[in-house]
Amino acid sequence: KQEVTQIPAALSVPEGENLVLNCSFTDSAIYNLQWFRQDPGKGLTSLLLIQSSQREQTSGRLNASLDKSSGRSTLYIAASQPGDSATYLCAVLTGANNLFFGTGTRLTVIP
Amino acid sequence: EAGVAQSPRYKIIEKRQSVAFWCNPISGHATLYWYQQILGQGPKLLIQFQNNGVVDDSQLPKDRFSAERLKGVDSTLKIQPAKLEDSAVYLCASSSLRGDLTDTQYFGPGTRLTVL
Repeated sequence: KQEVTQIPAALSVPEGENLVLNCSFTDSAIYNLQWFRQDPGKGLTSLLLIQSSQREQTSGRLNASLDKSSGRSTLYIAASQPGDSATYLCAVLTGANNLFFGTGTRLTVIP
Repeated sequence: EAGVAQSPRYKIIEKRQSVAFWCNPISGHATLYWYQQILGQGPKLLIQFQNNGVVDDSQLPKDRFSAERLKGVDSTLKIQPAKLEDSAVYLCASSSLRGDLTDTQYFGPGTRLTVL
């Protein structure tokens, strides 16, 4: 059974710092990996999607990498801002379009 | 493009009562998902519909949970009777599923259920 783990569970950084969130998964037979953002009381917003054949994706200040063979992904956020404060979830897509989510990293960016 | 709509946004009930949640997916999206997100955890898939048929309900506690999507559009998720451990946010998502397994799932705002 696929298990997804995210480290750290919570992270607090001063504004302007670069930071890395980590995600690991146990079964490398995935179709893709996604990073989501979840704000309190809101649904999930997809940030980046990396296909299993790709190694990274970039969007603005965000960069996600994927090492499928080792079951790891990282989300790099450059020049963090208070508006980046949220919970970040990674999820892997397996057969039948099922997403398996990690437990999330709660990020706080201090002004 | 309107997003995924869910109602109610919040619901408080006592254990052993019944509750129903409603979801309206993005227009034209054939696939609809219900997830349960317990506080401090990631969402867990409960059931997946393709049009009005069930694709996967292996993690749905069928003794108390039921879901339907009669006309292949809106969906309802029901819990009867509710237990304390059902307290969670129930998220609905939809995707177009053109057949290549890469369609992004779009999530609604969720319904926060508290069982007392």
